[in-house]
Amino acid sequence: KAGVTQTPRYLIKTRGQQVTLSCSPISGHRSVSWYQQTPGQGLQFLFEYFSETQRNKGNFPGRFSGRQFSNSRSEMNVSTLELGDSALYLCASRPEQGIYEQYFGPGTRLTVT
Amino acid sequence: GNSVTQMEGPVTLSEEAFLTINCTYTATGYPSLFWYVQYPGEGLQLLLKATKADDKGSNKGFEATYRKETTSFHLEKGSVQVSDSAVYFCALSDSSGGSYIPTFGRGTSLIVHP
Repeated sequence: KAGVTQTPRYLIKTRGQQVTLSCSPISGHRSVSWYQQTPGQGLQFLFEYFSETQRNKGNFPGRFSGRQFSNSRSEMNVSTLELGDSALYLCASRPEQGIYEQYFGPGTRLTVT
Repeated sequence: GNSVTQMEGPVTLSEEAFLTINCTYTATGYPSLFWYVQYPGEGLQLLLKATKADDKGSNKGFEATYRKETTSFHLEKGSVQVSDSAVYFCALSDSSGGSYIPTFGRGTSLIVHP
């Protein structure tokens, strides 16, 4: 099976702009989670989607949003970018909700200037 | 709430040295425990897991034993290689609050010199 794919891999944006990142989960996986990884804060959970519904949400401002499509592909959007949004954004999928290991994509490196 | 505490890095070792990375956890339920590894420029990948007390997870020469009495899940390897240089994350997942979202530690960087 193909792994989790994320596009684009690298992105440079200017403060104030918005950005959309895409994630395609492993075939058959219905749960997609998003994480932000920075050197200072480590790995922080953004949100999880399961069957097109947001099931869990981390402690991030409303500028961060996401959605999931019927084919389980997911997008996350960040509006009004700030310098502090520069990070590696990781997407992870798993087959169902429950205590399953997560399968991570390679991430999108976002740099805000 | 749940939490995972890992030893601070970086851990610097010579090739063929013994590795231990400490991990302790706090959980309200009966968690499953995981170690993930992140190689440079890549996402995290599952290294090993244990789902109940006294279980031992193992993979690629790495081992970790689920110790409920000490709430620990330390990662060990008998002889590290340069290719093991990466960041290692300890994580737990349980059903507290109806959420199965894993809780990750801060990660421990391992540097192995030839």
